[in-house]
Amino acid sequence: SQTIHQWPATLVQPVGSPLSLECTVEGTSNPNLYWYRQAAGRGLQLLFYSVGIGQISSEVPQNLSASRPQDRQFILSSKKLLLSDSGFYLCAWSGTVSKNIQYFGAGTRLSVL
Amino acid sequence: RKEVEQDPGPFNVPEGATVAFNCTYSNSASQSFFWYRQDCRKEPKLLMSVYSSGNEDGRFTAQLNRASQYISLLIRDSKLSDSATYLCVPKASDYKLSFGAGTTVTVRA
Repeated sequence: SQTIHQWPATLVQPVGSPLSLECTVEGTSNPNLYWYRQAAGRGLQLLFYSVGIGQISSEVPQNLSASRPQDRQFILSSKKLLLSDSGFYLCAWSGTVSKNIQYFGAGTRLSVL
Repeated sequence: RKEVEQDPGPFNVPEGATVAFNCTYSNSASQSFFWYRQDCRKEPKLLMSVYSSGNEDGRFTAQLNRASQYISLLIRDSKLSDSATYLCVPKASDYKLSFGAGTTVTVRA
């Protein structure tokens, strides 16, 4: 069966520090991968999605970047965090056929102080 | 205009009650929908797919009203574990699903 791992679960970082969140998927090949951010009480905002290794589409201009160095690995990064980067970050995957059914990792709760 | 609109709630119901809420959508061409549930401070999880006029899965029933452009979710015999935020998501032709803030349901003992 397919599983998705995301870590860390919680992160507190100072303003201006770098960020690296990692997400890996097991049990499937060539998944579509997604990074979302959710502010408190709000819906999910799609940040990046990827249909293959090295293929990244950015949805919202911002202080973040994403990379997909391996088929089932998706990384969210920032060189310098801003206060506004605080939020709940969720990684998700979907199949290439059933791309509308997305499966989420447990999320990382990031607080930038 | 938002792709979907949901009453944020919260809908506070006693255990065993029936609760129903709607999701209105703006794109009249939308054919299929997904209901996800998101527990407090957790990730969303797929609850149900709706590909035609409706779907039923145990105590959960979804009905699609294309004429009025809304989809409803009904929960019968509510359990404490049904307390969550329910997200209505239209099927997307590309990779970009639209997740709104959802409807929060709180089931009390």
